[in-house]
Amino acid sequence: DAGITQSPRHKVTETGTPVTLRCHQTENHRYMYWYRQDPGHGLRLIHYSYGVKDTDKGEVSDGYSVSRSKTEDFLLTLESATSSQTSVYFCAIGQQGWEQYFGPGTRLTVT
Amino acid sequence: GESVGLHLPTLSVQEGDNSIINCAYSNSASDYFIWYKQESGKGPQFIIDIRSNMDKRQGQRVTVLLNKTVKHLSLQIAATQPGDSAVYFCAEFLEETSGSRLTFGEGTQLTVNP
Repeated sequence: DAGITQSPRHKVTETGTPVTLRCHQTENHRYMYWYRQDPGHGLRLIHYSYGVKDTDKGEVSDGYSVSRSKTEDFLLTLESATSSQTSVYFCAIGQQGWEQYFGPGTRLTVT
Repeated sequence: GESVGLHLPTLSVQEGDNSIINCAYSNSASDYFIWYKQESGKGPQFIIDIRSNMDKRQGQRVTVLLNKTVKHLSLQIAATQPGDSAVYFCAEFLEETSGSRLTFGEGTQLTVNP
């Protein structure tokens, strides 16, 4: 998976609780991305980063925030998890915007 | 809105045959088109890309064709193997002053029969 790890790999949480997912890379790539994957919707971009402390919103950013304090780590936070955020979350990295390498994914269930 | 989609949700082929997976796109301004492969329980894997000013690009056992006239993208897999069984996504990349975007299609499930 191109030097990308995600943690945790699986998580079950209750509605209203905060959740943080971590993406860690060892490739020193500039760009990092968070996607969610749902049946019928494919992969949708939540947020992305184009450098340390430089982030921007994607297609489905409501209810999510991100932080990137160093090149290798990109955190995705659900401030107050809802059942609609049950999904599989993928982190991706890249040096150019179109060539992205994905991590193994985190399966999040919000009950 | 702009979208990337696939003609067929499933494709079943015999081992050794050639596979062709199709994709229709609507944004003629896209800069790159990319194919990804996703095996069950794993993240998408980059296969091959093609720049919008090209018609064809070949990789190892794969060829991507881009027909800008009809806004059509295809992925050809030669001598399909059981390990090629996966979901294949096309994606289009657009770089704008407001930021770049990679938009994925829904995916095609390729099943290779022995």
